Amino acid sequence: KQEVTQIPAALSVPEGENLVLNCSFTDSAIYNLQWFRQDPGKGLTSLLLIQSSQREQTSGRLNASLDKSSGRSTLYIAASQPGDSATYLCAVRNYGQNFVFGPGTRLSVLP
Amino acid sequence: NAGVTQTPKFQVLKTGQSMTLQCAQDMNHEYMSWYRQDPGMGLRLIHYSVGAGITDQGEVPNGYNVSRSTTEDFPLRLLSAAPSQTSVYFCASSYSFGGGGYTFGSGTRLTVV
Repeated sequence: KQEVTQIPAALSVPEGENLVLNCSFTDSAIYNLQWFRQDPGKGLTSLLLIQSSQREQTSGRLNASLDKSSGRSTLYIAASQPGDSATYLCAVRNYGQNFVFGPGTRLSVLP
Repeated sequence: NAGVTQTPKFQVLKTGQSMTLQCAQDMNHEYMSWYRQDPGMGLRLIHYSVGAGITDQGEVPNGYNVSRSTTEDFPLRLLSAAPSQTSVYFCASSYSFGGGGYTFGSGTRLTVV
C-alpha cells in the first residue's frame, strides 16, 4: 500500500528565502506525482504535475524534482513571498490507482 | 472553462436528514472522485468513478452513495446524516484513472447538528 509522508509538517521562513519542501513515498512504481497548494478554507490548486518519466518540472519560482528510485520528491520555492503562505500537499499515483495524499507542509512566509 | 463545479458551498443538516452534494466537470474527464478533509486526518477517498456507469468504494465509503449516469456529473448522496459526517468535501477529476493530474472543485463545507 502506497504511503506518502511530508517533512517538515510546518515551516516558517523570512521573506526572500529559498526553501525546500520534501515528499517521500514507499512504492517507487509511481505513474505521476502532483504538488498542490491549499489556502486556509479553500480548495486545492494544482502547482506541478510530474510524470514518472520526468525528473523535474518548473513553473515560475517553483521547481519540483522527482527521484523514483529513492522514493522522493522535492518542491523548491525561490525567493519566497508572504503570498506563498499556504499548506502544500504532495500526491502520488500508481498506474490504475487513486492518488494518495501526504499530510501536507504548512508554510508561513514572514514579511 | 469552468473546470470542476461543486454545489452547494456550505450546508447545515440535522442528524438523520439526507442530501446530495453536486459535482460537475466540463473537461470530458473519465475519472471523478470524492474526498473528505478533516483536521489531522488529511484527505480521505470516499468513492470514485472511472467512467459513466462505473463506481467503486474508497477508504471511507460508509454512509455515502454515488452514481455516475453521465460523464459530466458525479453526485454524492448522504443517506442519513450523522455528526461524524461534518467535514469539507472535495470533488476531483482527471483525464483517466491511470493518467493525468487531479483538478479539484472548491469544496462543500458540511455541518451536521
